[in-house]
Amino acid sequence: AQSVTQLGSHVSVSEGALVLLRCNYSSSVPPYLFWYVQYPNQGLQLLLKYTSAATLVKGINGFEAEFKKSETSFHLTKPSAHMSDAAEYFCAVRSTGNQFYFGTGTSLTVIP
Amino acid sequence: NAGVMQNPRHLVRRRGQEARLRCSPMKGHSHVYWYRQLPEEGLKFMVYLQKENIIDESGMPKERFSAEFPKEGPSILRIQQVVRGDSAAYFCASSQGQGPQNTEAFFGQGTRLTVV
Repeated sequence: AQSVTQLGSHVSVSEGALVLLRCNYSSSVPPYLFWYVQYPNQGLQLLLKYTSAATLVKGINGFEAEFKKSETSFHLTKPSAHMSDAAEYFCAVRSTGNQFYFGTGTSLTVIP
Repeated sequence: NAGVMQNPRHLVRRRGQEARLRCSPMKGHSHVYWYRQLPEEGLKFMVYLQKENIIDESGMPKERFSAEFPKEGPSILRIQQVVRGDSAAYFCASSQGQGPQNTEAFFGQGTRLTVV
């Protein structure tokens, strides 16, 4: 069975500070991993994806994530938070059966 | 290329009525997923469909809920005899389902159902 765990349902950072959102996955095979962002009253938008190519993946809006097989992690980072980054972030894994499993989400607050 | 289209965006139903939520996947996508989201909660998987087939409905309540994805037309999530607890945002996603370059799911803007 495949699943993802997001540590920390709420994260607060100061504007300009490092953003680190944690995601650990459980998968018996090399996974496809994703980070999505959701702004209020909107659908989910893809930030970035890992598809067994480069382990460091760059996405939109300055976000990136590193796939670490030894730690079964796919943490999302951004060097400098911006007020517009305040949103809900979801980590997801896609199974070999084309099913998507989402974490419970992390709400990011950016403090001016 | 239009994205995933859901309608209506907002739907108000009285208790006991039926709610029909529609989802048109992206062009060329044959895989559709439905999720429910409650305030302060994550996405709860409901059902996964391919054209004319239900692949996984393990997240669907056993009663009052049904889904279809016909050969022609949008996918429909149907909730019969709605109750206040059905009030939520319902999201549809689609994917192409094949190849490493086409792995992600694309989401619609959601339908916000309010049961009064």
